[in-house]
Amino acid sequence: DAEITQSPRHKITETGRQVTLACHQTWNHNNMFWYRQDLGHGLRLIHYSYGVQDTNKGEVSDGYSVSRSNTEDLPLTLESAASSQTSVYFCASSVDSYNEQFFGPGTRLTVL
Amino acid sequence: QQPVQSPQAVILREGEDAVINCSSSKALYSVHWYRQKHGEAPVFLMILLKGGEQKGHDKISASFNEKKQQSSLYLTASQLSYSGTYFCGTVGHGSSNTGKLIFGQGTTLQVKP
Repeated sequence: DAEITQSPRHKITETGRQVTLACHQTWNHNNMFWYRQDLGHGLRLIHYSYGVQDTNKGEVSDGYSVSRSNTEDLPLTLESAASSQTSVYFCASSVDSYNEQFFGPGTRLTVL
Repeated sequence: QQPVQSPQAVILREGEDAVINCSSSKALYSVHWYRQKHGEAPVFLMILLKGGEQKGHDKISASFNEKKQQSSLYLTASQLSYSGTYFCGTVGHGSSNTGKLIFGQGTTLQVKP
């Protein structure tokens, strides 16, 4: 069955370290998204991509970067982790802009 | 601009009804609704693409008033399994070809026996 996976599921890191969160989907979806979820803020869009080599900034993109070298993967990199980036991160994908987004299981990141 | 959901939280007894509202300050192209159980990923409920559209399955339905820039989610005869946090996600007219969702802050629904 097609699915969307994230790894690692839990990560503890130190301030200033570079961290990469993986997202992999097997639906062959063009659209992929990264969100962070914090209490009281709901889901906030970090970066998104509509296809290979395409990336766009979302509403909270500072301190994060993404690259899309193939259809299946959209890794999220925190260049220099900060305590304010402690959060739960969700990756999502959709076939196009008129259909639902499928969410991965999430990654809980703690920055000490 | 983040859509505003109301109420922020609601507690129901099994069998009672609830309405969750989602309002935007911007013109909307579509509205998505998702439910998230504690510790899990959001799960899609429905999408409304046209102004005035109403959709539903089982005892959960939704409406979309394009003129008022708002959508409402209706939960009828609630069941314990309806408990969770409900999010609306809106796509503005300027983003209609991108699918970029802006989510509301969520409404926590608790259904008690």
